Amino acid sequence: QKEVEQDPGPLSVPEGAIVSLNCTYSNSAFQYFMWYRQYSRKGPELLMYTYSSGNKEDGRFTAQVDKSSKYISLFIRDSQPSDSATYLCAMSPWGANNLFFGTGTRLTVIP
Amino acid sequence: DVKVTQSSRYLVKRTGEKVFLECVQDMDHENMFWYRQDPGLGLRLIYFSYDVKMKEKGDIPEGYSVSREKKERFSLILESASTNQTSMYLCASSGASSQGGDTQYFGPGTRLTVL
Repeated sequence: QKEVEQDPGPLSVPEGAIVSLNCTYSNSAFQYFMWYRQYSRKGPELLMYTYSSGNKEDGRFTAQVDKSSKYISLFIRDSQPSDSATYLCAMSPWGANNLFFGTGTRLTVIP
Repeated sequence: DVKVTQSSRYLVKRTGEKVFLECVQDMDHENMFWYRQDPGLGLRLIYFSYDVKMKEKGDIPEGYSVSREKKERFSLILESASTNQTSMYLCASSGASSQGGDTQYFGPGTRLTVL
């Protein structure tokens, strides 16, 4: 079993839709949770970072962590064509030097 | 803003060639990483470094070596390139916790094709 599981998609939604991206994990020691966005042929860029459980909101993006279920989510409201990218979840027990990545979900927002 | 740069965006090499991929970060980060990214496999850690002249093997070090002579620069070396090393190579860096180092910052990637 992989440490981090992520549905690869692809996921296609119409512009303006609410998008839900998810990852599950097996290691209860994970405390740091991140979402990266990667445009085609570019490097990943950090989108959201949360520590422990709870929600974090940044504009149209909300990251949610449920440690009891070992489940994290990224919600995108009012999705835009510019949100079309691959979204990678990443997590760690003690910080940046030991990250476990999901394989990424490819999202396309159709105008 | 953290900036991580990689020497080439696209590279085409022949089997058996020695290949150097260079990465430079400008945020005085202690930690640097090399990954490769392949469809369906995600990011896999090749090597990482916590300090100058220090290196640690990641999950898939075979066929690769690294060099870190200066804090800001981390090089990945393919001693004898093979076709199965065709991939996207990503460099990343992170600082100590006091520098907000709880995540890694990535470069733009080098897409290497070995013919």
